[in-house]
Amino acid sequence: EPEVTQTPSHQVTQMGQEVILRCVPISNHLYFYWYRQILGQKVEFLVSFYNNEISEKSEIFDDQFSVERPDGSNFTLKIRSTKLEDSAMYFCASSGREPLFFGSGTQLSVL
Amino acid sequence: SQQGEEDPQALSIQEGENATMNCSYKTSINNLQWYRQNSGRGLVHLILIRSNEREKHSGRLRVTLDTSKKSSSLLITASRAADTASYFCATGSYSTLTFGKGTMLLVSP
Repeated sequence: EPEVTQTPSHQVTQMGQEVILRCVPISNHLYFYWYRQILGQKVEFLVSFYNNEISEKSEIFDDQFSVERPDGSNFTLKIRSTKLEDSAMYFCASSGREPLFFGSGTQLSVL
Repeated sequence: SQQGEEDPQALSIQEGENATMNCSYKTSINNLQWYRQNSGRGLVHLILIRSNEREKHSGRLRVTLDTSKKSSSLLITASRAADTASYFCATGSYSTLTFGKGTMLLVSP
């Protein structure tokens, strides 16, 4: 069964460093998303991406965040200068329309 | 904003029993979805119910939707230890889902 894959599964970084989280969406999907879940809190929407551009983004997705689809298969989330409060599980998702299919997540720990 | 809130926050049952989780939301919806999350894993889509549907079944899952009360319920029948997970309802457009905090279900053998 096709699935969304995310790498790495765990990422530890120092505050102020840049991180890139990687995702390979399901191959025939056209819509891509990033969500995050801070420990003990709700899953929160960050950004959606369609036709090589951001279609929607939340207030969380500020100038420190960016997304890119550098080739036909990968979809990345970059955090330019990480903060302690960026520590969370980051989920990539993709869809044809609905529903969304989620990856297993990248646990980001900012020290 | 559209927002799903589940209750109970935690539910502990024995294998073979049924588990019922509820979700309430605040604004009009086009559909409502239920997801499952095993500890430390991603979200797995379980079922989607549209606003013009009242009930939907998928295997041992039964979802109801009452748009007049802005609520939905997820029933898992004949539960198994493998059903142990957190269950979330989600509302919103296909691009922007809003999740509740979830119900943590523990099924003991």
